[in-house]
Amino acid sequence: GENVEQHPSTLSVQEGDSAVIKCTYSDSASNYFPWYKQELGKRPQLIIDIRSNVGEKKDQRIAVTLNKTAKHFSLHITETQPEDSAVYFCAALMDSNYQLIWGAGTKLIIKP
Amino acid sequence: DGGITQSPKYLFRKEGQNVTLSCEQNLNHDAMYWYRQDPGQGLRLIYYSQIVNDFQKGDIAEGYSVSREKKESFPLTVTSAQKNPTAFYLCASTASSSYNEQFFGPGTRLTVL
Repeated sequence: GENVEQHPSTLSVQEGDSAVIKCTYSDSASNYFPWYKQELGKRPQLIIDIRSNVGEKKDQRIAVTLNKTAKHFSLHITETQPEDSAVYFCAALMDSNYQLIWGAGTKLIIKP
Repeated sequence: DGGITQSPKYLFRKEGQNVTLSCEQNLNHDAMYWYRQDPGQGLRLIYYSQIVNDFQKGDIAEGYSVSREKKESFPLTVTSAQKNPTAFYLCASTASSSYNEQFFGPGTRLTVL
């Protein structure tokens, strides 16, 4: 079946440095790629998304890039802050049945 | 307060019991979803519904059942056939099935005693 691979599973960066999380998807017809942030014990919340007609989208310190040819997309967080510590999930929307296929998550740790 | 709500927040079940988790939304969303999340894991789709009176199985539907009699409600029943139900259950909704943000409820943490 279709799947989304997410790496790394854990990422530890110094406060103020940048963090990059990468995802690869298998369904070449996927056209929508959201990123969610989940704090411990809380619900996932959308932080940024990108559609296939653009290659990059930026919102303040967060950016997402998409390479449709290679079927991968990445989340970039610059100037990391303690409140960025959380688990981040990528997902890809399957064109056949409009289900989101989720990555396994990346635990981001910001070291003071 | 608009949004998507789940109840209860915590639920304890004895082995052999069926329990029902509530999910309600007042966003007028068409599609609703149930996910299961185990500690340190991602989200796995249990069931989803794109319109009232219709729903489809997700990847891990065995031992679960749902109904969608009203647009705003999508309850999940965890049956005794689900052998390892202890998990965090998340309900989500979206305006339509395609291209739109999934809004999540606060979750229900189910523990089997």
